[in-house]
Amino acid sequence: SQQGEEDPQALSIQEGENATMNCSYKTSINNLQWYRQNSGRGLVHLILIRSNEREKHSGRLRVTLDTSKKSSSLLITASRAADTASYFCASLMNRDDKIIFGKGTRLHILP
Amino acid sequence: EPEVTQTPSHQVTQMGQEVILRCVPISNHLYFYWYRQILGQKVEFLVSFYNNEISEKSEIFDDQFSVERPDGSNFTLKIRSTKLEDSAMYFCASSDGVVEAFFGQGTRLTVV
Repeated sequence: SQQGEEDPQALSIQEGENATMNCSYKTSINNLQWYRQNSGRGLVHLILIRSNEREKHSGRLRVTLDTSKKSSSLLITASRAADTASYFCASLMNRDDKIIFGKGTRLHILP
Repeated sequence: EPEVTQTPSHQVTQMGQEVILRCVPISNHLYFYWYRQILGQKVEFLVSFYNNEISEKSEIFDDQFSVERPDGSNFTLKIRSTKLEDSAMYFCASSDGVVEAFFGQGTRLTVV
């Protein structure tokens, strides 16, 4: 079963606005990662946040992790047309060695 | 940052042919995985591999599929007799089983 569930499933915003995507998971994790995927293309690793971290920044990306709520958020600030893509969270679970993917949020940046 | 490398980036094959997708995991990782994503659909788990054997596989991973670590660096996925529905992006991943895990950029397999 899918561990990670992103919401919203689809998001359209104006260029320059901030985009926030959320991911929830069900069991304990060691870390959580966010990936971007342009339509029909491969996965691009964006950021990894460990279970003992609460917030992490990388350029225009800000990721938070709330282990008590079993959720993470990805914030993209000052969005650009090139940010149009699907965004996935993936988590490495504590109790076994499987990496679980969410279904993704399709982000569309409007010019 | 270390990375998982997959080759080729795109493979076109005739239906019924065998294909081998290759992956070079991160060197100190011990767990290896293959995932598949049919165009427009979610990423699906195929198989995990540890200590030179399959540790878990999904119902998708039938007898047409096999995995191998032929040497100390490569991790391969073989599809023996490809079908049209095998067309998808195939992602390799590796992890240390504790903290970090990374995916490769994927191989796009097109079966014609």
